[in-house]
Amino acid sequence: EAGVVQSPRYKIIEKKQPVAFWCNPISGHNTLYWYRQNLGQGPELLIRYENEEAVDDSQLPKDRFSAERLKGVDSTLKIQPAELGDSAVYLCASSLEGAYNEQFFGPGTRLTVL
Amino acid sequence: KNEVEQSPQNLTAQEGEFITINCSYSVGISALHWLQQHPGGGIVSLFMLSSGKKKHGRLIATINIQEKHSSLHITASHPRDSAVYICAVTSWGSQGNLIFGKGTKLSVKP
Repeated sequence: EAGVVQSPRYKIIEKKQPVAFWCNPISGHNTLYWYRQNLGQGPELLIRYENEEAVDDSQLPKDRFSAERLKGVDSTLKIQPAELGDSAVYLCASSLEGAYNEQFFGPGTRLTVL
Repeated sequence: KNEVEQSPQNLTAQEGEFITINCSYSVGISALHWLQQHPGGGIVSLFMLSSGKKKHGRLIATINIQEKHSSLHITASHPRDSAVYICAVTSWGSQGNLIFGKGTKLSVKP
């Protein structure tokens, strides 16, 4: 069974440019998470979806970040415009419905903003 | 103060050594997770536990709910165990979201 798929794996952009990350969760997993992980730190939750509904986006910087999961399956996270401080690894994870289940992580997208 | 604290931050061991990584937390939890992250970013779940002890191969995880403390042990360590080990908790106050520690970077030398 395929795991969580993310693309791209690496992205280098200049500041003020837009960038988008894509995630396809494990089949049957209704809960999807986007995390940001800064160097030397643990991941921090940006947004959690239950199906197509964003049930927790309290940590998402809404002035420049947006996310969607239109059909309740794959998801896109966008930054526009990117800032130097956005350089990090962006991780997607999925789980069976509800936040108390084991999460399965994708390989992440390493973003470098120059 | 972070809600999940790990120690040590960095650990270097010789192949074959017994390794212990500690995790303390300050919130009420429904479960504690140990995760492994190799260079390149991908995270793998090792254990999810809410009481007692779990074993998988050379890895053992224990938790003491009263003391709010967990340990991850690696027996007969090997260079392929080199990775960052992350402790995370699912707390009752976080609506089920994971709260992560900063991780322990383990390097096992041959």
